[in-house]
Amino acid sequence: DAGVTQSPTHLIKTRGQQVTLRCSPKSGHDTVSWYQQALGQGPQFIFQYYEEEERQRGNFPDRFSGHQFPNYSSELNVNALLLGDSALYLCASSMLTDPSTDTQYFGPGTRLTVL
Amino acid sequence: RKEVEQDPGPFNVPEGATVAFNCTYSNSASQSFFWYRQDCRKEPKLLMSVYSSGNEDGRFTAQLNRASQYISLLIRDSKLSDSATYLCVVTGPYGQNFVFGPGTRLSVLP
Repeated sequence: DAGVTQSPTHLIKTRGQQVTLRCSPKSGHDTVSWYQQALGQGPQFIFQYYEEEERQRGNFPDRFSGHQFPNYSSELNVNALLLGDSALYLCASSMLTDPSTDTQYFGPGTRLTVL
Repeated sequence: RKEVEQDPGPFNVPEGATVAFNCTYSNSASQSFFWYRQDCRKEPKLLMSVYSSGNEDGRFTAQLNRASQYISLLIRDSKLSDSATYLCVVTGPYGQNFVFGPGTRLSVLP
């Protein structure tokens, strides 16, 4: 049973560029959430996708956008990169349609460095 | 006030010690509560869910006090492999997004 996978593992970009990160949820899961984790801090919620729509959004600017595909995989796009966007980006999957559990399982993350 | 606050740490304890972590949350409508463990440069991994009645998993015991909006994690007989950052997590009223605390770092020393 494959867990949550993310690609790429590492990425280096320069200020002003755009980046796309990818996530495949755990088998059987239908919901994908994205988090940003700066060094030494806890993860911060960016947004959550279910049925190809954004269900909830954290306190992140519109430069951060996403998408969910029919196979439940998801992308996170960040435009006009800033130095402060350097962080570990975590994808988490869960099963919204199963109210008995709301546990989220995390992928290994993509470490983004903006120079 | 931050939504989720934790002991600042770090905690440096000898093998075999008992250590307790505390966490408070501000949203009284929070529905679910968890402890996650995160090793250096790795993803968070679920340690245990936290229930109002308290729950235990081997050497780990979690407690929830909804009235005080307080969560705790107790680790008994610490092992070197317990060294990690422990993240307190609460969900919003509809269980949609996770709100993480800043984490408490534990180092178990030989």
